[in-house]
Amino acid sequence: SQKIEQNSEALNIQEGKTATLTCNYTNYSPAYLQWYRQDPGRGPVFLLLIRENEKEKRKERLKVTFDTTLKQSLFHITASQPADSATYLCALDAGYSSASKIIFGSGTRLSIRP
Amino acid sequence: KAGVTQTPRYLIKTRGQQVTLSCSPISGHRSVSWYQQTPGQGLQFLFEYFSETQRNKGNFPGRFSGRQFSNSRSEMNVSTLELGDSALYLCASSLFGTEINEQFFGPGTRLTVL
Repeated sequence: SQKIEQNSEALNIQEGKTATLTCNYTNYSPAYLQWYRQDPGRGPVFLLLIRENEKEKRKERLKVTFDTTLKQSLFHITASQPADSATYLCALDAGYSSASKIIFGSGTRLSIRP
Repeated sequence: KAGVTQTPRYLIKTRGQQVTLSCSPISGHRSVSWYQQTPGQGLQFLFEYFSETQRNKGNFPGRFSGRQFSNSRSEMNVSTLELGDSALYLCASSLFGTEINEQFFGPGTRLTVL
């Protein structure tokens, strides 16, 4: 069955360091991989999307890599700040033409300490 | 542009009752998806509607049902509530038919079953 795993349930990083979150998947061929941020008591917010034929995507302090051979995506936050503390979710998407649903990982709770 | 709205925000029910949750998508969005989020299982896909038709369904019992109206607003219903149905129910809308299937989430409805 399709499975998506985010390697850490929680991650503690000191302010200013780079936070790296991992997303691994099996039995799935996503056309896209998405990353979302979720704050307590709120719905997830879309951050970045990377296509299957892209190796890397950047947006300000965020960087996402996608390795379809390893079936893995890495999500980096550089120069981390306490305001980056949240739960980060990765999601697999087979593409709008597919009837497959988007599958979310269970999330990694990131804490940035001052 | 107004975001996704969900009503009610909080709900307390007892076992055996039924409940109806409502979701209004972003104007122009025709796809609405529902998710259940619990601490143990994470974000789990319930179903997706497009043009009043259920396009995809997750692995939930028949007690969970939904529908979409001609104005794209959606409702989900849970009958014969069980304690395990206590969760945050999230609705997300998207612009179906575009390459990027970004999900815009509402704030959720927190359901507590006693």
